[in-house]
Amino acid sequence: AQTVTQSQPEMSVQEAETVTLSCTYDTSENNYYLFWYKQPPSRQMILVIRQEAYKQQNATENRFSVNFQKAAKSFSLKISDSQLGDTAMYFCAFMRPLSYQLIWGAGTKLIIKP
Amino acid sequence: NAGVTQTPKFQVLKTGQSMTLQCAQDMNHNSMYWYRQDPGMGLRLIYYSASEGTTDKGEVPNGYNVSRLNKREFSLRLESAAPSQTSVYFCASSEAGTLLGKNIQYFGAGTRLSVL
Repeated sequence: AQTVTQSQPEMSVQEAETVTLSCTYDTSENNYYLFWYKQPPSRQMILVIRQEAYKQQNATENRFSVNFQKAAKSFSLKISDSQLGDTAMYFCAFMRPLSYQLIWGAGTKLIIKP
Repeated sequence: NAGVTQTPKFQVLKTGQSMTLQCAQDMNHNSMYWYRQDPGMGLRLIYYSASEGTTDKGEVPNGYNVSRLNKREFSLRLESAAPSQTSVYFCASSEAGTLLGKNIQYFGAGTRLSVL
């Protein structure tokens, strides 16, 4: 069975700094999807970034980028120039194509300090 | 741009009471999902509906039933609520297909349920 591990329960950085959140997963599949979702205090779950396993190029969305290491089964999220609005829980999630099931990590609470 | 709408936002029940959580999406998505979120854990899938007319169990289906009323609506029912069902419940939807973009799940704002 697939599992997703986020080893950092909580992190805090100063505004404008760069922070990296870690995520590792376990699977025997060759192709799959990986996601980072953000959950601010409002509780709304918001997609931050996504990656397809067979694509070598790391995904980027504005200040958010990933470091996808397929052999190491690692999918870390880098947030550059962090902003107060980035304060949230961040969840890493895994999905096999057509499985309909997202497998979630336990989340990392990120606090951006002014 | 409503997206995924869940009702109610909050609910308090007594043990043994029943209730239905409602979910509707306006994105013409094929697939819909119900998750629960407990403290210190990621979301866990309760049930999903791959397409209109079908439903399947997820990781934690015991104590719940679902109905895919039509393409837009997917409800979750607790027949006899128990304190262990105290949680935050999320509904989500996705287009579903073989492309990554079709597998992105979009979430409602959640329902906080307390069972006393």
